[in-house]
Amino acid sequence: GQQLNQSPQSMFIQEGEDVSMNCTSSSIFNTWLWYKQEPGEGPVLLIALYKAGELTSNGRLTAQFGITRKDSFLNISASIPSDVGIYFCAGPLNAGGTSYGKLTFGQGTILTVHP
Amino acid sequence: SQTIHQWPATLVQPVGSPLSLECTVEGTSNPNLYWYRQAAGRGLQLLFYSVGIGQISSEVPQNLSASRPQDRQFILSSKKLLLSDSGFYLCAWNTGFSGNTIYFGEGSWLTVV
Repeated sequence: GQQLNQSPQSMFIQEGEDVSMNCTSSSIFNTWLWYKQEPGEGPVLLIALYKAGELTSNGRLTAQFGITRKDSFLNISASIPSDVGIYFCAGPLNAGGTSYGKLTFGQGTILTVHP
Repeated sequence: SQTIHQWPATLVQPVGSPLSLECTVEGTSNPNLYWYRQAAGRGLQLLFYSVGIGQISSEVPQNLSASRPQDRQFILSSKKLLLSDSGFYLCAWNTGFSGNTIYFGEGSWLTVV
């Protein structure tokens, strides 16, 4: 399977600050997904990206599919305490192919927001 | 709307005991179903996936097995648990129309002691 490198591993920020995290792969992807996981729960899909250069927003979250197709970025603007959790990037297990839900995940970014 | 449920939510089992985790999906037919494992709250690893009743594919060799006795039911099993089987197990689903996007259940915490 493909290796995904997600950074940073953790972030400690003040409420109201903006957050940026990224993910890189060793191969070209045709899909990038971003999930958020809260303690003791399953990951929840935030944003799905399907096209190189695509920029998609979901409220205060914005994600971009890198032009090289080997990276993706997630930004959170004006963070609030409920943004706390682990954010994961994910892509097809068989990069560029029809993996249909067989995903490889980054190691996650742990976000802590201080009020 | 579609929903997915897993149970039990938490489980503490001794080494060598059997395991059965169950997952059901409602509100859709002929879903693709997946079992992922998450160790130490970090990255998820695909264990099994199924595209239909009785069709199971394994992604990694391990002490676990999966079965799909009904269209919307997916079961994760083991005959004899190992300490290394401890982790957070997540069932997920999607359909042929959702591409690579999958939707997760609430997860099941397994601690092998």
